[in-house]
Amino acid sequence: GIQVEQSPPDLILQEGANSTLRCNFSDSVNNLQWFHQNPWGQLINLFYIPSGTKQNGRLSATTVATERYSLLYISSSQTTDSGVYFCARFRTSGGSYIPTFGRGTSLIVHP
Amino acid sequence: GAVVSQHPSRVICKSGTSVKIECRSLDFQATTMFWYRQFPKQSLMLMATSNEGSKATYEQGVEKDKFLINHASLTLSTLTVTSAHPEDSSFYICSARRDSGNSPLHFGNGTRLTVT
Repeated sequence: GIQVEQSPPDLILQEGANSTLRCNFSDSVNNLQWFHQNPWGQLINLFYIPSGTKQNGRLSATTVATERYSLLYISSSQTTDSGVYFCARFRTSGGSYIPTFGRGTSLIVHP
Repeated sequence: GAVVSQHPSRVICKSGTSVKIECRSLDFQATTMFWYRQFPKQSLMLMATSNEGSKATYEQGVEKDKFLINHASLTLSTLTVTSAHPEDSSFYICSARRDSGNSPLHFGNGTRLTVT
């Protein structure tokens, strides 16, 4: 089946630092999504990015579909960035696109 | 836009009882909804895919008779945990998308179920 691997599994930053999270997948991608799960369990969409680069404030993401990876950049990190970051790509099944999630990167940002 | 409401956010029930969790898309029609289970410090495990007007498609290892899913309208899917036991205690999350194709997922806030 489709494999989605995220790295690093854990990350600790000092407030203000930058970081890069990586998502590798085992087959060619035609869709990919990044999420942030906050400490209360809420999942927030960050990017829907099958290819190319997108930016939203201090966050940006790049997906290189031909090389089967996506990167999430966090600049000038803040304590509110803490939580778990998941990437998910989608497999087709019976005409639907079914999500497969990575194991996540757990980020702690210290003040 | 694209708000998904999940209710209740927390529920405590006694062993042997059933619990229903609702997932509503508030400002869009959700052809497809997904139900996940998440254990502490782990990723989301897909339980089933729910398409409006048809039977849910369950992932391997998920008991259909235990986790009843109904997607009767384009804005509502429900998950019923039947005859709950302590091992069913978990964080359950729903997500919805506008169509069955290639569009973003939007998540509910999750339901923390505790079975005593």
